Amino acid sequence: EVQLVESGGGLVQPGRSLRLSCTASGFTFGDYAMSWVRQAPGKGLEWVGFIRSKAYGGTTEYAASVKGRFTISRDDSKSIAYLQMNSLKTEDTAVYYCTRVRAGATSFDIWGQGTMVTVSS
Amino acid sequence: EIVLTQSPGTLSLSPGERATLSCRASQSVSSSYLAWYQQKPGQAPRLLIYGASSRATGIPDRFSGSGSGTDFTLTISRLEPEDFAVYYCQQYGSSSWTFGQGTKVEIK
Repeated sequence: EVQLVESGGGLVQPGRSLRLSCTASGFTFGDYAMSWVRQAPGKGLEWVGFIRSKAYGGTTEYAASVKGRFTISRDDSKSIAYLQMNSLKTEDTAVYYCTRVRAGATSFDIWGQGTMVTVSS
Repeated sequence: EIVLTQSPGTLSLSPGERATLSCRASQSVSSSYLAWYQQKPGQAPRLLIYGASSRATGIPDRFSGSGSGTDFTLTISRLEPEDFAVYYCQQYGSSSWTFGQGTKVEIK
């Protein structure tokens, strides 16, 4: 079964850091770009960033709201994608979803169940 | 950045009725990069439509997508009880994605 499982969420103070993990199974992880999407409580979906597959350089892109604070990386040997979040703000409070980017970069065809990040003092 | 505006915000319909959801882009979007998602309370979103009109794996044929340029539509031909949810459109361009604000389809 194709599956993504996020972990690492929790309560963190403003200005601190947190790292989320996304463990993939059921497909060849290294063949796909991976993306993170977040959803603040009661709000809509916001794209956070993505990492290309190694075949396309493994480079990253980010939304303006997180650029310079968040970093996405991947470990293809472990089938894990990471979201390192630094200098967290209260407005980063959200459910964070890991997603698989469908071939052709058109859409997100597999989603994890999400992990909640709460930034509060 | 391309802004996607969905309408209406809420659609109140009865099971068996037809639902028509609109997604308008602030500038032209390649049809290849327009997608629709369904999200039910407490669940992750699910891909319904990609490439503006192609159904994702396992999606029933009562869901259909159409449109081009700046105007796209998701149609649910006959609403089933499990179709009452929030629907988001999404576009990809310039190495980034944006989502519409969502349309809630609720039971009338």
